[in-house]
Amino acid sequence: DTAVSQTPKYLVTQMGNDKSIKCEQNLGHDTMYWYKQDSKKFLKIMFSYNNKELIINETVPNRFSPKSPDKAHLNLHINSLELGDSAVYFCASSQPQGAGYTFGSGTRLTVV
Amino acid sequence: GEDVEQSLFLSVREGDSSVINCTYTDSSSTYLYWYKQEPGAGLQLLTYIFSNMDMKQDQRLTVLLNKKDKHLSLRIADTQTGDSAIYFCAETIKAAGNKLTFGGGTRVLVKP
Repeated sequence: DTAVSQTPKYLVTQMGNDKSIKCEQNLGHDTMYWYKQDSKKFLKIMFSYNNKELIINETVPNRFSPKSPDKAHLNLHINSLELGDSAVYFCASSQPQGAGYTFGSGTRLTVV
Repeated sequence: GEDVEQSLFLSVREGDSSVINCTYTDSSSTYLYWYKQEPGAGLQLLTYIFSNMDMKQDQRLTVLLNKKDKHLSLRIADTQTGDSAIYFCAETIKAAGNKLTFGGGTRVLVKP
């Protein structure tokens, strides 16, 4: 009964490939997010969706495309992967006004 | 603008209390959070406080918020070796779409 689950946990792929990360939450939250954690552990938001509608798109390259089929799911598709995309990607969800922000366990993406 | 800062490192002896400090610049914060991240693991929500509160206690954890000084602290009583981790403070701002803005993290090392 994991609250926010994302798959896969690890992803190793070659440059130029296209990959997707999936996220699902069973908390009944309306808002979902993607965050990126770099090698120095710095965390920064990428996208936010509220009830399937894009709210935040934080200067992320066009190669990154989020998709929210319903408010419980937010997937992240990445085209033409680059070495610099290597990072840990975290999905999260929250209640209105940002209460109860809960994160998934992260997807460690390594581009070789 | 949004800026959250934390000290980089804290060393504490097992059984002592730990205090991790955080400062933020945006006075319109809605919620302020503390997360714990163990090596190779995800972000564990420890506690959060609504911006109109001064203090919140949850077992060994005490959060103090000084809105005037824009200062947030997390006190861990009776620190254990299992408390060794990186601790992140973060704030949400409603006007910014409730994105979480993180500090750089404080690495806590508990010595036996």
